[in-house]
Amino acid sequence: GIQVEQSPPDLILQEGANSTLRCNFSDSVNNLQWFHQNPWGQLINLFYIPSGTKQNGRLSATTVATERYSLLYISSSQTTDSGVYFCAVNRGGTSYGKLTFGQGTILTVHP
Amino acid sequence: NAGVTQTPKFRVLKTGQSMTLLCAQDMNHEYMYWYRQDPGMGLRLIHYSVGEGTTAKGEVPDGYNVSRLKKQNFLLGLESAAPSQTSVYFCASSYKTTGRTIDTQYFGPGTRLTVL
Repeated sequence: GIQVEQSPPDLILQEGANSTLRCNFSDSVNNLQWFHQNPWGQLINLFYIPSGTKQNGRLSATTVATERYSLLYISSSQTTDSGVYFCAVNRGGTSYGKLTFGQGTILTVHP
Repeated sequence: NAGVTQTPKFRVLKTGQSMTLLCAQDMNHEYMYWYRQDPGMGLRLIHYSVGEGTTAKGEVPDGYNVSRLKKQNFLLGLESAAPSQTSVYFCASSYKTTGRTIDTQYFGPGTRLTVL
């Protein structure tokens, strides 16, 4: 099956710093999503981004499908950004949207 | 519009007991999924459904059964719970849009299950 690798596994920041999270995948995909899992365990959709660039406030994401990676940028980080960030992909076709998740990046933002 | 809801939020079982987790969505989505999340890991797919009355196995289906009798509901059953099934269970749903095979998956709040 498709492999998804995220880096770094852990990231510690001071409030106000910027960061970049990376997701590499081993095969072509037609669905890539970024999620934030908050400290209460809730999974929040950040981006649906199989290709191209999107921005939402302080967060932006870029997927370069031909090179099989995606980047999540967090600018001016806040303590509420803490949690685990997951990248998940789907190959399309007859896979019916089944997502394969990476192991996640644990982000801690200190005040 | 409640999105995806899950019942119960927490449950403790003894080894060998059975239970059913309920997932409900009010977005008229065709596709529904059950995932489990173990400590330090991403989510893994247990079973999924592409429509009412249809189900299929995912990556880790052993020890679980599912049913999709109504479009809005997807049930996950544990017939004889084992400690290895201690996990957080997430339900998700999505719809198929014109021009794309699948769109964004929306997740429920999760059910934390402990098997003693």
